[in-house]
Amino acid sequence: DGGITQSPKYLFRKEGQNVTLSCEQNLNHDAMYWYRQDPGQGLRLIYYSQIVNDFQKGDIAEGYSVSREKKESFPLTVTSAQKNPTAFYLCASKGTPRTGELFFGEGSRLTVL
Amino acid sequence: QQQVKQSPQSLIVQKGGISIINCAYENTAFDYFPWYQQFPGKGPALLIAIRPDVSEKKEGRFTISFNKSAKQFSLHIMDSQPGDSATYFCAASLTGFQKLVFGTGTRLLVSP
Repeated sequence: DGGITQSPKYLFRKEGQNVTLSCEQNLNHDAMYWYRQDPGQGLRLIYYSQIVNDFQKGDIAEGYSVSREKKESFPLTVTSAQKNPTAFYLCASKGTPRTGELFFGEGSRLTVL
Repeated sequence: QQQVKQSPQSLIVQKGGISIINCAYENTAFDYFPWYQQFPGKGPALLIAIRPDVSEKKEGRFTISFNKSAKQFSLHIMDSQPGDSATYFCAASLTGFQKLVFGTGTRLLVSP
């Protein structure tokens, strides 16, 4: 089935550690996105990529890094510089600019202990 | 100018009732207004979307009403069911623009 796969679903990390969240899509979409979801704050854009080997900062990029070496993959690294990393992270992709529909993965919940 | 304000934050509706969620935007250049539905522990999924050339769009029990002059749009869920209990996000963007701006979400609970 076509879709977006995020892993791991749950992740625990100690303060000071970097952690990488995986996002893979088999929808052949060009654009991919990372959002952070916190209660009462909606979905906030961290990074997005419109094409392989290119990505742009979103609204809350500080403390995060990404890469886009393959069309199918857009991993997100939460670095130790991110001051409040505990959150639900969502990866999404979009096929055509016209429709605007985002397809989301099931999310990764990161808890910093 | 890029904000989308959503209300209420939470909503309780009895089964069979009408659920109404409102959103307001500032950027008059926005031309695509989707609503996403999210169940606990899952990613959001597109529910229904509208463009400003129409004032209303209906898909089953879900209707978007759009008021261009007031820069507001709303989601109406008719005959609300317990299975509709979820978080709903409105959003807005420009056609061809790669970023969607999301509202803060409304947690809907439909009581049996």
